[in-house]
Amino acid sequence: KNEVEQSPQNLTAQEGEFITINCSYSVGISALHWLQQHPGGGIVSLFMLSSGKKKHGRLIATINIQEKHSSLHITASHPRDSAVYICAAYSGGGADGLTFGKGTHLIIQP
Amino acid sequence: NAGVTQTPKFRVLKTGQSMTLLCAQDMNHEYMYWYRQDPGMGLRLIHYSVGEGTTAKGEVPDGYNVSRLKKQNFLLGLESAAPSQTSVYFCASAGTGYSPLHFGNGTRLTVT
Repeated sequence: KNEVEQSPQNLTAQEGEFITINCSYSVGISALHWLQQHPGGGIVSLFMLSSGKKKHGRLIATINIQEKHSSLHITASHPRDSAVYICAAYSGGGADGLTFGKGTHLIIQP
Repeated sequence: NAGVTQTPKFRVLKTGQSMTLLCAQDMNHEYMYWYRQDPGMGLRLIHYSVGEGTTAKGEVPDGYNVSRLKKQNFLLGLESAAPSQTSVYFCASAGTGYSPLHFGNGTRLTVT
């Protein structure tokens, strides 16, 4: 079973700061998901990547397959970015091959 | 386009009562999942389905049953609720096992 670890668990930053959230996993994967869970509870998919880097607006996700590590970056952070960010590693092998991290609780203060 | 819709949003049950959570998706997705989310833990897979008429057990299936009689619907049943089933339940769907997930808004269940 894949072990997925996220760091930090909690992060408080000031508006405008550059944010980095890390995700490491123990077993080789086919893809890695980054999810955002809003304070109201809903979960949305931000990225799914298997190599390199993806960018969407102020969000950037990178993955290093050799090092079994992925990062989520937020540039010019804003209070509306406050949420829990979850990574999930897909090891393949079927629909049950997804293992979730415990999440990083991010608060951006004005 | 509604995406993934879960009902109900909240429910309180007494120990031993039963209930069914409904998940409906309008994206013609083959894969559907039920997860539970508990404080300090990652999302854990209860049951999943890879197509109409198929279901399979996930990581924490005990105390739950599921059915997928129609492609767009995935039902999660609790036959005899226990306090350990107090949790937030999420349904999700995907086109394949290698596709982005689409989540419902969650159901907060309390069992007293």
